[in-house]
Amino acid sequence: AQSVTQLDSQVPVFEEAPVELRCNYSSSVSVYLFWYVQYPNQGLQLLLKYLSGSTLVKGINGFEAEFNKSQTSFHLRKPSVHISDTAEYFCAVSDPRRGGSYIPTFGRGTSLIVHP
Amino acid sequence: EPEVTQTPSHQVTQMGQEVILRCVPISNHLYFYWYRQILGQKVEFLVSFYNNEISEKSEIFDDQFSVERPDGSNFTLKIRSTKLEDSAMYFCASSEAEGGGYTFGSGTRLTVV
Repeated sequence: AQSVTQLDSQVPVFEEAPVELRCNYSSSVSVYLFWYVQYPNQGLQLLLKYLSGSTLVKGINGFEAEFNKSQTSFHLRKPSVHISDTAEYFCAVSDPRRGGSYIPTFGRGTSLIVHP
Repeated sequence: EPEVTQTPSHQVTQMGQEVILRCVPISNHLYFYWYRQILGQKVEFLVSFYNNEISEKSEIFDDQFSVERPDGSNFTLKIRSTKLEDSAMYFCASSEAEGGGYTFGSGTRLTVV
């Protein structure tokens, strides 16, 4: 079964600074990768996804992520954060090929805290 | 933009009681899911539902849990006899196809006392 590691439980950053939220997964085979955001008292919203093709994926709200197969990573980045980016961010991975499951496994989440 | 709607937003129930959590998925979606998130812990998969039957379920989804699509719009999760450890945020999600990313509802916070 897949496992997902989000290395940082909390990332504090100042407004307009760049940020990287780290995500590593367990399998080296082909996977589908996702980042979701959860604003306070809301559900999860899909930020971006990698299914195939270009390893650099652009999502909503200025976020992007890069799939690195050799390092089994899918780190999320934003060059300049806003106060409104304060939220919980979840990395998720599914492994549907070779008889695996489409159901994504989620990481524990990283709390991004943007300070003015 | 289409939404997944969950009701109620918060439910408090006595231990041993039955609860039904309700969800209205996006109308043209074919795949439906329940996840839960215990406070401070990760989002855990419970069950997926397609073509009027369970397609996949986790170890958490034991005999106390059941799902149903009673009509063309609702998708429900029933917990037969709630335990204290069932207290969590329960999220419903739907998708057009397998694997492409889900649309989640805002969740139902279930508190078992």
